[in-house]
Amino acid sequence: DVKVTQSSRYLVKRTGEKVFLECVQDMDHENMFWYRQDPGLGLRLIYFSYDVKMKEKGDIPEGYSVSREKKERFSLILESASTNQTSMYLCASSLTEYGYTFGSGTRLTVV
Amino acid sequence: KNQVEQSPQSLIILEGKNCTLQCNYTVSPFSNLRWYKQDTGRGPVSLTIMTFSENTKSNGRYTATLDADTKQSSLHITASQLSDSASYICVVSATPNAGKSTFGDGTTLTVKP
Repeated sequence: DVKVTQSSRYLVKRTGEKVFLECVQDMDHENMFWYRQDPGLGLRLIYFSYDVKMKEKGDIPEGYSVSREKKERFSLILESASTNQTSMYLCASSLTEYGYTFGSGTRLTVV
Repeated sequence: KNQVEQSPQSLIILEGKNCTLQCNYTVSPFSNLRWYKQDTGRGPVSLTIMTFSENTKSNGRYTATLDADTKQSSLHITASQLSDSASYICVVSATPNAGKSTFGDGTTLTVKP
């Protein structure tokens, strides 16, 4: 089974901190994604990557950046955390368009 | 604009009963439609994946149908169990945007004893 591992289940950070969310997949998938999920808004795409060192903006990239130095690892960076970035963050990977495998999510609280 | 609409928003049923969740989409051109189950506080888990040529796919007590002409899908859950309580999310992908999908807002199902 494909595994997508997110480094933290729960995270509490202070406003203004730089926050790193890590995601690792073990199935050599080309595509990786970062979503945030908020009540009533569903999953919204922040950034995605089709290959190493490649990244594309999703629907809500403002306030975020990403890094993909290795194929298996896709990091989401909050340059200066704000309270409106409190959310559930989900990482996913896929080989093709046929289905994603999601990680378990990171519940981030910014205080 | 590509859209996926799910109904109902929430549903409460008694254990052992059947239920059907709906998904209507306007994604074009169509590539595939997936249903995911998301337990509270966890990531979504894939239930079914259907392409244009498939109109029914089952996974245990879950059966998904697809009508590509009317752009509708349904997820039928048979003999519900307490563990079926979750959010069910419909996701539709368009070609050629491989890997970029449109998500529905989900249906929250509560199964009561």
